[in-house]
Amino acid sequence: DTAVSQTPKYLVTQMGNDKSIKCEQNLGHDTMYWYKQDSKKFLKIMFSYNNKELIINETVPNRFSPKSPDKAHLNLHINSLELGDSAVYFCASSQVGPPGATEAFFGQGTRLTVV
Amino acid sequence: AQSVTQLDSHVSVSEGTPVLLRCNYSSSYSPSLFWYVQHPNKGLQLLLKYTSAATLVKGINGFEAEFKKSETSFHLTKPSAHMSDAAEYFCVVSAGTYKYIFGTGTRLKVLA
Repeated sequence: DTAVSQTPKYLVTQMGNDKSIKCEQNLGHDTMYWYKQDSKKFLKIMFSYNNKELIINETVPNRFSPKSPDKAHLNLHINSLELGDSAVYFCASSQVGPPGATEAFFGQGTRLTVV
Repeated sequence: AQSVTQLDSHVSVSEGTPVLLRCNYSSSYSPSLFWYVQHPNKGLQLLLKYTSAATLVKGINGFEAEFKKSETSFHLTKPSAHMSDAAEYFCVVSAGTYKYIFGTGTRLKVLA
């Protein structure tokens, strides 16, 4: 049973389109994340949610809108896609609490290609 | 502020020889540190973690790392490289701030 699952795995779309990526975790964690991995493999946080509340929005354009309907789900909707949005997007989850963070569990990634 | 620096972007070793991937961190708080591995076109898998218990941490597939506060380092080692170890390795820091900060990655190449 997959711990963090995201769909779709591949997404090819034209510039200007709107698309969504879904993420679900069955680990009972209270915190979920979206990360973007660029072509040089660099991973940068986009958003983090704790108990469905937005905690971090790391200067991501407004075209990206995360939604967390419950603790187990964090979806990412992207409006007006641009060529520069092409990347691999990873969803992750963790249980955050004292004395510090435990490890994050990552999904398999969604490779988004904007043409 | 927290950060991690992976000192080598590429490391090449021969199969059967030791592996050393270097990581230095910066954190205002007592950090949690992790190493993740990413095989080509795959997701991220946790190799090992340090969360203020033993300073020498053993992970999966024969990897281990030592937390050295005085040197602010968390280097990853393996006594004998295997072809299947070829991948991208990421050093990661977190201090309970709802984000994990990744290093820029080290690509490990294993030569036959």
